[in-house]
Amino acid sequence: AQSVTQLDSHVSVSEGTPVLLRCNYSSSYSPSLFWYVQHPNKGLQLLLKYTSAATLVKGINGFEAEFKKSETSFHLTKPSAHMSDAAEYFCVVSDPGSGGYQKVTFGTGTKLQVIP
Amino acid sequence: DAMVIQNPRYQVTQFGKPVTLSCSQTLNHNVMYWYQQKSSQAPKLLFHYYDKDFNNEADTPDNFQSRRPNTSFCFLDIRSPGLGDAAMYLCATSRGSREQETQYFGPGTRLLVL
Repeated sequence: AQSVTQLDSHVSVSEGTPVLLRCNYSSSYSPSLFWYVQHPNKGLQLLLKYTSAATLVKGINGFEAEFKKSETSFHLTKPSAHMSDAAEYFCVVSDPGSGGYQKVTFGTGTKLQVIP
Repeated sequence: DAMVIQNPRYQVTQFGKPVTLSCSQTLNHNVMYWYQQKSSQAPKLLFHYYDKDFNNEADTPDNFQSRRPNTSFCFLDIRSPGLGDAAMYLCATSRGSREQETQYFGPGTRLLVL
């Protein structure tokens, strides 16, 4: 079975302070993991992905995430929040599915608020 | 720039009146997906095409249909929209179908049902 848990539905930080968005996953395989960002009324944009290479993954806009197998976590971090980071963030796990197609499960999302 | 394009960005339809949403891609990707995203929820996969091979999710209502006439275009048809079908509809593409493939999303079409 495959699942994703985003531990916080809302996170609020002050501009210039660190961001931590938490994600835990469950998978019967060695999964691929993704973080996407969605600004209001927009599509989803890939921030970064993990596919069994380096466990610390660097993405766009200063974000990074660390894959920790022992903790089944893939938390997203950024050293210093910017106002433009205010958006919704989705953690996604991808496993081999039936028929050779990937099976993708989205977390429920975390809304990030950045306070000036 | 290579991209995923969705038209229209906003669509208003009447209860029970068929509606078609459009997606096109310049990435030349093999796989195209349709997701439904309701307010403050995660996207929910409706179906996907690998080339011309159609794959329906088990819980996708029969009211939703799709067509992919060629590699570049994919359509979502809602035969008789209900109020519960009001949502953002997202199209995505990926080069292949393996688990490490990235899905690239379009900007979405927001559907309003009156």
